[in-house]
Amino acid sequence: DVKVTQSSRYLVKRTGEKVFLECVQDMDHENMFWYRQDPGLGLRLIYFSYDVKMKEKGDIPEGYSVSREKKERFSLILESASTNQTSMYLCASSPSSGAGGHYEQYFGPGTRLTVT
Amino acid sequence: EDKVVQSPLSLVVHEGDTVTLNCSYEVTNFRSLLWYKQEKKAPTFLFMLTSSGIEKKSGRLSSILDKKELFSILNITATQTGDSAVYLCAVEDRSGSRLTFGEGTQLTVNP
Repeated sequence: DVKVTQSSRYLVKRTGEKVFLECVQDMDHENMFWYRQDPGLGLRLIYFSYDVKMKEKGDIPEGYSVSREKKERFSLILESASTNQTSMYLCASSPSSGAGGHYEQYFGPGTRLTVT
Repeated sequence: EDKVVQSPLSLVVHEGDTVTLNCSYEVTNFRSLLWYKQEKKAPTFLFMLTSSGIEKKSGRLSSILDKKELFSILNITATQTGDSAVYLCAVEDRSGSRLTFGEGTQLTVNP
């Protein structure tokens, strides 16, 4: 079974702190994604990565950065946390669809971040 | 900009009822449409649809895609309390593997 793990289930940080959210997948997937999920807004893509050291902006990248130094690990960084970044953060991974295959994304359990 | 709209946003039914959840989309280069179920944790994959008119079925759940009218439906027959969840619809475009999600439908099944 594919397993996507996230470093914390719940996290409370103060405004202005630097926050690291870690995601690890164990299926050698090329693609990894970070979403945030808010009531009434659904899942919104923050950043994604197709390969090691590669990153692409999603729909709402402002205030976030990412790092992918190893294939299995994708980190989301909040450089200076703000209260409007209080949210549920979900990581996902999938195989590359470069050969024309169709693959679903596998999700981690989520990190509920509260910024006070 | 790709867009996915789900309806209804919320639905309350009794055990045994049949429900139909709707998903309409606008995407520049459609590749696939996916349905996920989310209880109080990670979304879990239900179906992936790529071709019009071909029903995908898993137990009491089924789904179909209409690429001409740009929508999909998810049917659940003989609902059970364990079906209570948020059902998410997402579309994938041809530019890569990224998904655009709808808001989700909160389904509550009462005993």
